[in-house]
Amino acid sequence: DAGVIQSPRHEVTEMGQEVTLRCKPISGHDYLFWYRQTMMRGLELLIYFNNNVPIDDSGMPEDRFSAKMPNASFSTLKIQPSEPRDSAVYFCASSEYGVGETQYFGPGTRLLVL
Amino acid sequence: AQKITQTQPGMFVQEKEAVTLDCTYDTSDQSYGLFWYKQPSSGEMIFLIYQGSYDEQNATEGRYSLNFQKARKSANLVISASQLGDSAMYFCAMTPGDTGRRALTFGSGTRLQVQP
Repeated sequence: DAGVIQSPRHEVTEMGQEVTLRCKPISGHDYLFWYRQTMMRGLELLIYFNNNVPIDDSGMPEDRFSAKMPNASFSTLKIQPSEPRDSAVYFCASSEYGVGETQYFGPGTRLLVL
Repeated sequence: AQKITQTQPGMFVQEKEAVTLDCTYDTSDQSYGLFWYKQPSSGEMIFLIYQGSYDEQNATEGRYSLNFQKARKSANLVISASQLGDSAMYFCAMTPGDTGRRALTFGSGTRLQVQP
């Protein structure tokens, strides 16, 4: 079975540009998570969805960040306008409701904002 | 609020030896889950092992075992018979059970280097 799929794997953009990150969760999983990893702050939650509905967006830095999940197999994380401090690795993860609810991570998108 | 503490920024181990990576946690929840993930230099996050707070036996997955001491709030990862491919960052993480919140809270990680 395919794991969590993220695209693009690498993104280099200039400050002020719009960036869209994409994620396809594992089929059948009903939770989808967006995390960000930086040297300074480590791994931190941005937002997560349950059955396509946003449940907790307390980690979204500011209004420049938005996330959507239009259906069970697709989610986007958008940054507009991007800033150099947004440079990080962005991970998408998914899990299935139940005991343990292990989250399986995608390969990540390495974003560099110049 | 939950907190995960990993006090070992870096560890060295000889190939074929066992190594323990420390993890302590702080939570007021009665029900919670504890996880370990491996992040090799290629960057992906690989799930290793899970322990539920009500599980009476320590979790094991192949060469990985989780030394769960609930009273001490510790969840150490033990890797037996280390291999060169075990060199990576290792993250301890937890999810709360009582509140229903599903997000992982991560520790700062331990970088393990296996020497030949």
